Amino acid sequence: EAGVAQSPRYKIIEKRQSVAFWCNPISGHATLYWYQQILGQGPKLLIQFQNNGVVDDSQLPKDRFSAERLKGVDSTLKIQPAKLEDSAVYLCASSFIVRRQQNTGELFFGEGSRLTVL
Amino acid sequence: AQSVTQLDSQVPVFEEAPVELRCNYSSSVSVYLFWYVQYPNQGLQLLLKYLSGSTLVKGINGFEAEFNKSQTSFHLRKPSVHISDTAEYFCAVRKGSGNTGKLIFGQGTTLQVKP
Repeated sequence: EAGVAQSPRYKIIEKRQSVAFWCNPISGHATLYWYQQILGQGPKLLIQFQNNGVVDDSQLPKDRFSAERLKGVDSTLKIQPAKLEDSAVYLCASSFIVRRQQNTGELFFGEGSRLTVL
Repeated sequence: AQSVTQLDSQVPVFEEAPVELRCNYSSSVSVYLFWYVQYPNQGLQLLLKYLSGSTLVKGINGFEAEFNKSQTSFHLRKPSVHISDTAEYFCAVRKGSGNTGKLIFGQGTTLQVKP
């Protein structure tokens, strides 16, 4: 079974430029998450999708960050314009849809996209 | 509100020695708890999870953790570490239920295994 795919793995941009990250979750996983991991910190949730709808985007800086999952499968996270403090690893994760009592709560993570803003 | 505190930012230990990585959580409801490991330049991989039942949970790579409700802790242990266990370890608590649930992570603990 293929895991969560992310691209690009690494990106270096100047501040005020834009960048986009792509994520393809595990087949059949309805829930998709984008986390931001700043060096030396734990991952912080930016946005959560259930199919193509947003469940939680309370921590997403909406003045510069946007994300979409138009067909309920793959997703794109965009930053425009980037700031120095956006330098981080952007992790995508997916999880099973919950049916009855089957709820492991486990998230499956991709390898991440490392962004450096100069 | 659920939150997680990892009490040690770095834990140095010699190879074949035992190790404990500490995690405390705060939650007003039933908890689901997780430990993830992150090797350099990789994503997070699940080590183990506590959902219910036995308070001693066994995971991959010889790790185990004990859920202690009275002390609100979920410490990770391994009786004998290997060089390959050098990595970042994250404790997490599930917030919310059903399909709206999400994981809240601690700050992480760097385990440094020395030869």
